[in-house]
Amino acid sequence: GAVVSQHPSWVICKSGTSVKIECRSLDFQATTMFWYRQFPKQSLMLMATSNEGSKATYEQGVEKDKFLINHASLTLSTLTVTSAHPEDSSFYICSAEIAGGFYEQYFGPGTRLTVT
Amino acid sequence: QQQVKQSPQSLIVQKGGISIINCAYENTAFDYFPWYQQFPGKGPALLIAIRPDVSEKKEGRFTISFNKSAKQFSLHIMDSQPGDSATYFCAAADKTSGSRLTFGEGTQLTVNP
Repeated sequence: GAVVSQHPSWVICKSGTSVKIECRSLDFQATTMFWYRQFPKQSLMLMATSNEGSKATYEQGVEKDKFLINHASLTLSTLTVTSAHPEDSSFYICSAEIAGGFYEQYFGPGTRLTVT
Repeated sequence: QQQVKQSPQSLIVQKGGISIINCAYENTAFDYFPWYQQFPGKGPALLIAIRPDVSEKKEGRFTISFNKSAKQFSLHIMDSQPGDSATYFCAAADKTSGSRLTFGEGTQLTVNP
C-alpha cells in the first residue's frame, strides 16, 4: 500500500517550452501533496505544498508563475514548468500525505527533467 | 528555516556490521521524525518513523533511537547488507508548519561485501 506514481519518469524538452508532471496517489487519498526538487548529491528542497481544491503554497524563492501546481483531486497533483530553461533541469519528486495519516508522507519515483 | 543536522556525510561499513547515522534538531516543536532511504535515480522511501513519546522504535534490522532532552535521534542498521547501500535522510515535522518535512543533508552509506 501507499504507492505514489509520477509521470513521466524522465523528459527532455527544448528551452522555452512547458512541461507537465503528474503525481498520483494510487491506493490512498491525499489531502496534501508536496513538490520537491533535488540536485545531484543534495538533499530534497521543498518547492510547494498543495492541498486539494485550493491554491498551492510556495516556498520562499520559488517562482509560482514558473512552477504551476494544480491539485485537482484527492489523488492527483500536477506540476507544470513553464517556459523551461536549462537551469530548470533537475530531479522533481512529489510526495503525498495520507489523509488523516498525521504527517506520514510517501514519495513518488521522481521525474528527471532535462532542458536543452 | 528550522534545521536538522545530519552526520556523517558518508559512511562505509562492512557487511554484517552496524551502520549508525545521527541527526540533531533545534526546533523543540518537532513531533515526528522519519527516516527515508533513497537509491540513485529513485524517490525516497519511508523506512521508519518515531514520535517523541517513545525513546526507541525497531522494525526488522532498522532501529530509531530518540533522545528528547539532547534533541537528537539516530538510525541504526543492524547486520548491514550491500543492498542497504543508499542515501539516508532524516527529517522532522511539527504542527506549526503543517506537515512540511525538514530534511537533513543526507548520508551516503556504502556496505562493502
